[in-house]
Amino acid sequence: RKEVEQDPGPFNVPEGATVAFNCTYSNSASQSFFWYRQDCRKEPKLLMSVYSSGNEDGRFTAQLNRASQYISLLIRDSKLSDSATYLCVVWVGNNNAGNMLTFGGGTRLMVKP
Amino acid sequence: GAVVSQHPSRVICKSGTSVKIECRSLDFQATTMFWYRQFPKQSLMLMATSNEGSKATYEQGVEKDKFLINHASLTLSTLTVTSAHPEDSSFYICSAREWGSYTEAFFGQGTRLTVV
Repeated sequence: RKEVEQDPGPFNVPEGATVAFNCTYSNSASQSFFWYRQDCRKEPKLLMSVYSSGNEDGRFTAQLNRASQYISLLIRDSKLSDSATYLCVVWVGNNNAGNMLTFGGGTRLMVKP
Repeated sequence: GAVVSQHPSRVICKSGTSVKIECRSLDFQATTMFWYRQFPKQSLMLMATSNEGSKATYEQGVEKDKFLINHASLTLSTLTVTSAHPEDSSFYICSAREWGSYTEAFFGQGTRLTVV
């Protein structure tokens, strides 16, 4: 089983739709969680961190469920520009040189006009 | 936010030659840097974790003698692809995390390597 798993998609949705992605992680010692966005042929860029209490940034809402070991990303009112691959990233470790980021395989979103 | 600079962004080399890719953290100290490889339409694959002043830790299946990693300072890590072959053609990305930080990792712009 992969440490961080995501549905690869693609999710094809019309503009204005609401879409949700889930990501599960296997290591219960995971400490920090992030959603990154990666456009084709570009480096990943941080979309948002995920906090236990859940957090929202405009049309984007991220939630963490530690008991079930999954995080989610909800995108409301999808825009064409939201088309990208969304990467779930989990950090296990402490703040020394031994820490490790683990990436999910990414979920591809395609927003259609 | 913090900046990670990766150079070169694109390189074409002949089969059998070596290519060095640099990754620099410009405004923070990165005790640990990560090197990833990404083939077209595939996810990022961690190649190795580079710790300043010590040997890199390679993921299973990644040849350490082929992908030489040096992390001599807190702001610079290099990846050298030795005796490159066409199958090494890929997108290589580094990322760095600030010492003592619980925040996200920052990524370099990536290097697109084409071996002909």
